[in-house]
Amino acid sequence: DQQVKQNSPSLSVQEGRISILNCDYTNSMFDYFLWYKKYPAEGPTFLISISSIKDKNEDGRFTVFLNKSAKHLSLHIVPSQPGDSAVYFCAAYANFGNEKLTFGTGTRLTIIP
Amino acid sequence: GAVVSQHPSRVICKSGTSVKIECRSLDFQATTMFWYRQFPKQSLMLMATSNEGSKATYEQGVEKDKFLINHASLTLSTLTVTSAHPEDSSFYICSARDGQGATQETQYFGPGTRLLVL
Repeated sequence: DQQVKQNSPSLSVQEGRISILNCDYTNSMFDYFLWYKKYPAEGPTFLISISSIKDKNEDGRFTVFLNKSAKHLSLHIVPSQPGDSAVYFCAAYANFGNEKLTFGTGTRLTIIP
Repeated sequence: GAVVSQHPSRVICKSGTSVKIECRSLDFQATTMFWYRQFPKQSLMLMATSNEGSKATYEQGVEKDKFLINHASLTLSTLTVTSAHPEDSSFYICSARDGQGATQETQYFGPGTRLLVL
């Protein structure tokens, strides 16, 4: 049962344009969401997060949007840079309970120079 | 930022043998460490959570007698895959949570260990 889904396994975006990565979840108990970035042969690194009490969080070129009613979140990267090429995972957890992180399957983003 | 190392980065072993994977937090003390497994084109699945000095908590469906976890110090956790079989071939990744003001953002991941069982 995949509670966090990233339906696009890959995405290619021209350098300088906006990259939009999507994530859907099914568990209504999730109330905190995170995005991780992973380069080959390295572990995921934390990128940005959002609490369910917000609908937007921005950090430089990265913005995460949360639509609770649709159980959907997205990560926007603008402008996209070649160094953004990586696999992006969204993850979620419930603040109450064991705080276990549940990950999506990842989206491989390729920025085309 | 905080660094978590894993050793080995990849290992090939024969069916029936045991393999030990080490996870170290290099510049912080990790009160909690997590072990994940990732099969191709699937998400990272949490296998177990270990707290220093206590027994690991395993996720449903993970055999604790097959995947032995030891978290003997605040900087080291080990995962031993006992009597490995080809279906155990996977990418194993650990993470460590910095004990200082621990939140999910302070969970740092290792680079992973690719295990191939022949």
